[in-house]
Amino acid sequence: DTEVTQTPKHLVMGMTNKKSLKCEQHMGHRAMYWYKQKAKKPPELMFVYSYEKLSINESVPSRFSPECPNSSLLNLHLHALQPEDSALYLCASSQGSGAGLFTEAFFGQGTRLTVV
Amino acid sequence: GNSVTQMEGPVTLSEEAFLTINCTYTATGYPSLFWYVQYPGEGLQLLLKATKADDKGSNKGFEATYRKETTSFHLEKGSVQVSDSAVYFCALSVVSGAGSYQLTFGKGTKLSVIP
Repeated sequence: DTEVTQTPKHLVMGMTNKKSLKCEQHMGHRAMYWYKQKAKKPPELMFVYSYEKLSINESVPSRFSPECPNSSLLNLHLHALQPEDSALYLCASSQGSGAGLFTEAFFGQGTRLTVV
Repeated sequence: GNSVTQMEGPVTLSEEAFLTINCTYTATGYPSLFWYVQYPGEGLQLLLKATKADDKGSNKGFEATYRKETTSFHLEKGSVQVSDSAVYFCALSVVSGAGSYQLTFGKGTKLSVIP
């Protein structure tokens, strides 16, 4: 099983709403990632979790709040977003993020977020 | 710094044509190299990878060889199908200042295959 599952697939939210994106993997991977992808652009890294601890935050605005409740789950809490935050949000996982452990990353199908 | 440069698209080919998508990289150390494919409306799928010089990655008729001397990882397929229409991303893995590995992507190349 090389599957990373993201829910929901589509989300429309107002600028005053609070919502959460969810990501799950059962491959025993200890590193999980959030990426943001705008149309016709490559994915941009937002956050890296390694062994359930946040190891990288790529200067992401605080209206995006990641959470890693356990080694299989990764959430992204959204609050007071702006229309320019509309994008495809991708979750990924890898065996690890350290030397000798990062061999490849597996991506989910993404959540298409529209902020109105 | 670390970066990936791939040919800009879009690339339009007839079915059964030969495909080449060029990818070159700049990196410190010895990165692993990847090709990911993104079909319309979907996430990224790992197509193939190579972890050291002269390694050849292959999958579903696609191939790419890690060329350290030319810092390249060009994607090739001998006979494309309509179902290969997608966006292809070349990527490398690099270690950040925090000690975590992460992917650096090229800008992507959109391939359209017409019957």
